[in-house]
Amino acid sequence: GIQVEQSPPDLILQEGANSTLRCNFSDSVNNLQWFHQNPWGQLINLFYIPSGTKQNGRLSATTVATERYSLLYISSSQTTDSGVYFCAAVEYGNKLVFGAGTILRVKS
Amino acid sequence: KAGVTQTPRYLIKTRGQQVTLSCSPISGHRSVSWYQQTPGQGLQFLFEYFSETQRNKGNFPGRFSGRQFSNSRSEMNVSTLELGDSALYLCASSSTSGSSSYNEQFFGPGTRLTVL
Repeated sequence: GIQVEQSPPDLILQEGANSTLRCNFSDSVNNLQWFHQNPWGQLINLFYIPSGTKQNGRLSATTVATERYSLLYISSSQTTDSGVYFCAAVEYGNKLVFGAGTILRVKS
Repeated sequence: KAGVTQTPRYLIKTRGQQVTLSCSPISGHRSVSWYQQTPGQGLQFLFEYFSETQRNKGNFPGRFSGRQFSNSRSEMNVSTLELGDSALYLCASSSTSGSSSYNEQFFGPGTRLTVL
């Protein structure tokens, strides 16, 4: 099956800083999602981005499927951005394969 | 539209017992998938149900089972609980119809199961 690797595993930022989270996958994928897991455990959808670039406020994402990676950009970070960020690629059907996540801590 | 709901939110069981978790998908969604999240293994796919049929299955023992009802609500059951079954169980729904198509999945808040 496909492997999904995320980097960095941990990231500490000062409020207002920008960051880039990376997701590499081992095989070509047709679909990819980014999630933010809140402190209560719920996965919040950030982007559904099989290819190309999307933006939503301070967040944007780019997937280059041919080179097997996706990037999540967070600009002007806020303390509420803290949490765990996951990317997940579709292996087949509706089966998502998740990366191990990036733990983001934004300090005020 | 209401989101995906899961009940109960928290459960404490003892080894050897069985447990049933429930998931109600977003209205109109017919696909429901289940995932287990543990600190050691991360998020892992359990199974997917579509139109009351299990469509895909992950690599979990037969103690883990599920079903889906005609209103698309789904339940998962874990029998003969082990300490290692302590985890956050998440379900996701999507409007995917065909097996070769994919639509964005949306997750519920999860059920946190503790096995003592």
